[in-house]
Amino acid sequence: GIQVEQSPPDLILQEGANSTLRCNFSDSVNNLQWFHQNPWGQLINLFYIPSGTKQNGRLSATTVATERYSLLYISSSQTTDSGVYFCAEEGAGNMLTFGGGTRLMVKP
Amino acid sequence: GAGVSQSPRYKVAKRGQDVALRCDPISGHVSLFWYQQALGQGPEFLTYFQNEAQLDKSGLPSDRFFAERPEGSVSTLKIQRTQQEDSAVYLCASSLAPHRGLDQPQHFGDGTRLSIL
Repeated sequence: GIQVEQSPPDLILQEGANSTLRCNFSDSVNNLQWFHQNPWGQLINLFYIPSGTKQNGRLSATTVATERYSLLYISSSQTTDSGVYFCAEEGAGNMLTFGGGTRLMVKP
Repeated sequence: GAGVSQSPRYKVAKRGQDVALRCDPISGHVSLFWYQQALGQGPEFLTYFQNEAQLDKSGLPSDRFFAERPEGSVSTLKIQRTQQEDSAVYLCASSLAPHRGLDQPQHFGDGTRLSIL
């Protein structure tokens, strides 16, 4: 089946720093989503990005489908960015397969 | 509200009891998914509905797990004779349509945190 791997598994940043999170996937991408799971457990949609580049404020994402990876960029990090970042790929059956997540802590 | 609504938010049950978890998807959304998230891990697929039809239940861990969506809107996930390993967060997601090539992201509810004592 589809395998999704994320790196790094854990990341600690000082407020104001930039970071890049990576997602590798094993199959041709139909749909790739990035999520932020906040400390209360809510999964927040960040990007729907099967290919190309998108930006939303301090966040941007790039998916290179031919090379089977996606990157999430966080610039000028804030403490509210803390939580777990998941990428997930949609398979043939429409369900999402999630990576193991990157646990981000932003220190003030 | 405009989002996916799940209830209860928290559920504590004794081992052996039956539980029922409810999901109210975004109005008009055709596709509905259930996922299970164990502590410290990413969500894992359980089952998928397109309207009232359950098209995929390959992720259900055992025959104690049962899901339904009888009118193509609200869905219920039922777990019979609960066991401690069933303790997890159960997430429901919906999307507008299953069509590929369109911008149809899955939107998640806040989940039900189930604890089996």
